[in-house]
Amino acid sequence: NAGVTQNPKFQVLKTGQSMTLQCAQDMNHNSMYWYRQDPGMGLRLIYYSASEGTTDKGEVPNGYNVSRLNKREFSLRLESAAPSQTSVYFCASRIQFSVIPGANVLTFGAGSRLTVL
Amino acid sequence: KNEVEQSPQNLTAQEGEFITINCSYSVGISALHWLQQHPGGGIVSLFMLSSGKKKHGRLIATINIQEKHSSLHITASHPRDSAVYICAPNFGNEKLTFGTGTRLTIIP
Repeated sequence: NAGVTQNPKFQVLKTGQSMTLQCAQDMNHNSMYWYRQDPGMGLRLIYYSASEGTTDKGEVPNGYNVSRLNKREFSLRLESAAPSQTSVYFCASRIQFSVIPGANVLTFGAGSRLTVL
Repeated sequence: KNEVEQSPQNLTAQEGEFITINCSYSVGISALHWLQQHPGGGIVSLFMLSSGKKKHGRLIATINIQEKHSSLHITASHPRDSAVYICAPNFGNEKLTFGTGTRLTIIP
């Protein structure tokens, strides 16, 4: 089991460029999430997907789009990057409901560090 | 408003000490997560609990629903426990609210 895999790990963009952050999980989890982490702030939810085919906005969705391509994959797209989007991005997943103790904890990817110049 | 507050923000202790990190939240929750973020940046879930107490090795998490408070304890602390510890209450939907974390440093 690879868990949650994110790519790329590092990316530098110029203002106005676009890019897609890829996320895949092999744990058959229902729910997937994209967070951003900025210095001095807690993780903030950008978008989430409670199940295949559904997506919903989180706390800070502006400037981002997402696609839940299938149960495994949840991508985050920046259509026109801005310096304010410089951050570390984390993808996470979990089973939404499980009777197995401890099964519905969050599993995080390793993070993607994005710099927008 | 769904708010979460952790204390202390920073904690330095000697190896072997008993560590307590606190988390308070503003309104009722369905569950609360404790996470550990390593110096390299990776995040690992430690516990998810909705009542009482959970233990895993030297880590113990407790929650008091009535007082809207949770604690994470580390017994016999070790330098490898040095990390940022984050609590994240679930206020009843998919949108966890994350604290800003407690940076723990254990000195040998």
